[in-house]
Amino acid sequence: AQKITQTQPGMFVQEKEAVTLDCTYDTSDQSYGLFWYKQPSSGEMIFLIYQGSYDEQNATEGRYSLNFQKARKSANLVISASQLGDSAMYFCAMREGRAGGFKTIFGAGTRLFVKA
Amino acid sequence: EAGVAQSPRYKIIEKRQSVAFWCNPISGHATLYWYQQILGQGPKLLIQFQNNGVVDDSQLPKDRFSAERLKGVDSTLKIQPAKLEDSAVYLCASSLLNSVGIEQYFGPGTRLTVT
Repeated sequence: AQKITQTQPGMFVQEKEAVTLDCTYDTSDQSYGLFWYKQPSSGEMIFLIYQGSYDEQNATEGRYSLNFQKARKSANLVISASQLGDSAMYFCAMREGRAGGFKTIFGAGTRLFVKA
Repeated sequence: EAGVAQSPRYKIIEKRQSVAFWCNPISGHATLYWYQQILGQGPKLLIQFQNNGVVDDSQLPKDRFSAERLKGVDSTLKIQPAKLEDSAVYLCASSLLNSVGIEQYFGPGTRLTVT
C-alpha cells in the first residue's frame, strides 16, 4: 500500500499567486515526521519544511506553510506569492520509526510550473 | 559548512559491468543514506548506516548491490553486475542523528546510465 500519495503529477500557477500541493500519508505510528523537499532541474534535494506529528501549530518557513490535518492524514504544502524560481519537482516525505531506527519514505512528487 | 559530496556526477556503463559511487557526508553526521531515484519517481531508500553499522538495507538488491561505510565517515555503493533497470540517480544523504524530526542533507547525486 502507498504510504505517501501525491495525486497531482503536475500543477500550473501564475506568478505571484498561491498554490497548494497535496499530500496524504498512511501510518499506524503515533510519532512521525512529515517533510517537503524541492528538487530543481539541477537535481539536488532541498529541504523546505517539517511538521512533527505532535505539533499543534502548522509549520511555516517564509513563503512555505504546511497545512497539517492529522485526522485526515494530509500534509499539504502551500506556497504563497509564487516565483519563477519555484518551478521544480516537489516531494512529500514521511519519517516513521522502525526497528533499529527511522526510515523516510517519499511520494512520487508533483511538478510545479510557474507561469510569468 | 561543506555539504554532502558525491562522485562521480555522471557515469555511463554497459550492462553486466560494475560501477562504484562515493559519498562523503557532512562532518559529524552519524547517519548516512543511499537512495535510488528512477526518472519520474521519488527517492527510494537503499541502505541506511548509523556510524559504520547498517540500520536498514531491506530494499537493497543484495545479489548485485553492496555498500560499506568505513570508519563511520565516507561510504561507497557498488553495483556488480549492472542491469538496464539500474539506470537512475543515486543520492547520498546524511543527518546528524537518526530521529524522527531530523533533517536530511542531500548530495548532488550520481546519474547512472546503463546501456
